[in-house]
Amino acid sequence: DADVTQTPRNRITKTGKRIMLECSQTKGHDRMYWYRQDPGLGLRLIYYSFDVKDINKGEISDGYSVSRQAQAKFSLSLESAIPNQTALYFCATSDLHSGRELFFGEGSRLTVL
Amino acid sequence: DAKTTQPPSMDCAEGRAANLPCNHSTISGNEYVYWYRQIHSQGPQYIIHGLKNNETNEMASLIITEDRKSSTLILPHATLRDTAVYYCIGRDMRFGAGTRLTVKP
Repeated sequence: DADVTQTPRNRITKTGKRIMLECSQTKGHDRMYWYRQDPGLGLRLIYYSFDVKDINKGEISDGYSVSRQAQAKFSLSLESAIPNQTALYFCATSDLHSGRELFFGEGSRLTVL
Repeated sequence: DAKTTQPPSMDCAEGRAANLPCNHSTISGNEYVYWYRQIHSQGPQYIIHGLKNNETNEMASLIITEDRKSSTLILPHATLRDTAVYYCIGRDMRFGAGTRLTVKP
């Protein structure tokens, strides 16, 4: 089983719908991140969390919200999806004791029609 | 936090060394530089990181200049499977566009 699991892996939805992408990890890491990747571009940081009570905005947080339900779970929500939020979304984790390297999930491909 | 700059693309012949540069002129004194690579649309994979000294592991070597304003990732004997996008990032964990390395037969 993957250490960082994202669900769903693929989702097609319509404009205006609320969407939640979930991320869970079994690595015991304290930090979790959500990134977005558009075709041909690098990853952009949406939100990150250093522990359960800590949430921070990244480069492109507008239109997104997050919830850190537990140390192992970090969810990304699109309250009212729009077509330009069509992208590949990655969750990642890191921990002080692992040298702060990022461990990524397999990605969630979201299409907003 | 350092802003990193990388060339958008590079080619390398199979079996030769691939040297990927990164400028991070705004890096702070205690800030590590991390390198990752992404193959197709998979999640990025950690390669190596360093602070001041050169580092080597089973995947690559990292050369950091004495002034720490730039670094070079070296893949000593590139293979076709090393074709990927390579990113260098600082502690803010923000990725730029990276360098698309194409290894050619």
